[in-house]
Amino acid sequence: AQTVTQSQPEMSVQEAETVTLSCTYDTSESNYYLFWYKQPPSRQMILVIRQEAYKQQNATENRFSVNFQKAAKSFSLKISDSQLGDTAMYFCAFMKGQGAQKLVFGQGTRLTINP
Amino acid sequence: GAVVSQHPSRVICKSGTSVKIECRSLDFQATTMFWYRQFPKQSLMLMATSNEGSKATYEQGVEKDKFLINHASLTLSTLTVTSAHPEDSSFYICSARTGSDGAQHFGDGTRLSIL
Repeated sequence: AQTVTQSQPEMSVQEAETVTLSCTYDTSESNYYLFWYKQPPSRQMILVIRQEAYKQQNATENRFSVNFQKAAKSFSLKISDSQLGDTAMYFCAFMKGQGAQKLVFGQGTRLTINP
Repeated sequence: GAVVSQHPSRVICKSGTSVKIECRSLDFQATTMFWYRQFPKQSLMLMATSNEGSKATYEQGVEKDKFLINHASLTLSTLTVTSAHPEDSSFYICSARTGSDGAQHFGDGTRLSIL
């Protein structure tokens, strides 16, 4: 079974700073996807960024980028020039490339951006 | 694109009532949808995978007779909490996977409160 671990329950940075959220996972699959989702106080689940395991290039979406280390099974999220609206719970998630394609979530990291 | 609508957003009802929650994919077809439950300050817990035209697949420990799932069309899945009791009070959220980006997109969730 796959597991996803987020070792930082909470983080707090000042506005405009850069912050990195950690995520490690365990799987024997070779074909899979990794995701970061954001859940603000409104409790919507918003897709931040996705990465296919077969792609070596790290995914980027504007101020959000990942550091995907496949051999180490690590998938960290970097938020540059953090904004107050980035305050949210962030969940790392794993999905197999085939089969039921269920999402396996980490425990989440509560990120607070301070003015 | 990839919009998922969930209704209602908030339900308050008496113990013993059955409650139906709808999940619709507005701009894409979804043969598979997923239903999650989230307790305060915790991660999402997958309850079941909803398959269009066939029976849902429930996760271990989830009572299928308590949480009835129907996926009658490619754009609609429903979750009915039957004879709800206070312990069923929670945040329920659905998702649907698109073929274009491989990601699951989430509805806004339903906050269920059983008095």
